[in-house]
Formats: sequence, C-alpha cells, structure tokens
Amino acid sequence: EAQVTQNPRYLITVTGKKLTVTCSQNMNHEYMSWYRQDPGLGLRQIYYSMNVEVTDKGDVPEGYKVSRKEKRNFPLILESPSPNQTSLYFCASSSMGTVAGNTIYFGEGSWLTVV
Amino acid sequence: DAKTTQPNSMESNEEEPVHLPCNHSTISGTDYIHWYRQLPSQGPEYVIHGLTSNVNNRMASLAIAEDRKSSTLILHRATLRDAAVYYCILRLSHGSSNTGKLIFGQGTTLQVKP
Repeated sequence: EAQVTQNPRYLITVTGKKLTVTCSQNMNHEYMSWYRQDPGLGLRQIYYSMNVEVTDKGDVPEGYKVSRKEKRNFPLILESPSPNQTSLYFCASSSMGTVAGNTIYFGEGSWLTVV
Repeated sequence: DAKTTQPNSMESNEEEPVHLPCNHSTISGTDYIHWYRQLPSQGPEYVIHGLTSNVNNRMASLAIAEDRKSSTLILHRATLRDAAVYYCILRLSHGSSNTGKLIFGQGTTLQVKP
C-alpha cells in the first residue's frame, strides 16, 4: 500500500530541546516536502526536496532544517523549538516529471506542541 | 507571488451538485491546478488536477476557465462523506519543469446537509 509515514504523530516538548520528525515513503518518489498547518493560515510549505541531496526552502523555512540522504526519508529537524512552532505538520511525496501534474501523497500529520 | 483564493465555507444539500470556486489570477502558463480535500484529523487527499482542459474522474470534475485565472471543482452529487475542507492548490512550474513549490488556498469548508 502506498504510504507516507510520519513519526511521532503527537509530541509535547519544551522550548530549546532539539527534535526530529521523521517522514518515510514507500513509493520511490523523488519529490518530498514538509508543510505546517495553522488555524486561519492554511497549509504552508516549509521545505521541499526534488531528489536525494537536493533541498530548497518553501515559504516558511525559518527555524527548521531538513536533509535528504536517502530517497525514501526526509526528516524535519527543529534545532531549538519555540512555542511559535506549535503546529500540525504534514509530510508529502510525489513522483517527478517534466510536468507538474503528479499526484501528491500526504502523511497523516504530526501534532507538535512546544511549551 | 502566486496565490489562490477560495470562499471560506459553502453549504449543500445531500444528492445535489456542488460547485466550489477558486481564483488563481496569478497563475503562470504551465502551473498545474490541483484540488485536495481534508477530512478531520487526516492529511489532505487527492481529488483532481488539470492544466488547461476540463477534467473528469470518479470523484469529481474540474472546470478550468479559458484564461486559467479561475477554476471550479464540481461534485456531481454531494454525500455526507463529502463534508470536508477543499483546497485549491497551484503546483508551480518553470517552463516544462516542476519547481517543487506548492501554493495552497485557505480552503473551503463544505457542509453537506441531509
């Protein structure tokens, strides 16, 4: 079954304590991306990756890091989390092509609370 | 900057058609228009996408204006399970290549009444 798997699904952490949210896909997709969803602001893109070792900033990259060492994994790193990073996070993946029409698969989301 | 605009909410009666509009006046020539929906406590799921021509699939139809500055998602017969937040998304391209950037609208919350 085609899946994008995120872990953890729920996390409460303290300000400044580094954390990593993992994302893994089993569809051999080149493209992976992270989003955050906040009330009234909708979904906003944090970072994306077009392939292994290729990453780029989305609309709201501040305070986040990513890496893409393997095709299937795209972890989101919060080096020093702050309360304004409390949000619902989604990872997504899709195949790449020369056109932008490929279906995007989303994970189930990770609820992160920073106190 | 690319942007999509959607109404905050819409209501429909069960078994009736629903037309969900989206304005994307800043769209570029090769940007794709995607529609996704999100049920409570779930990630967005694919509904339909298109470039220039109208598109149909088993879930919905997508009508794209001739100038591509707007589109309409059509649910032919709304059911209670169609109650969700519907997102209009631009998948940005540069020439014929995918840039990797996605622009989400604010989403339209669809309420379906029995």
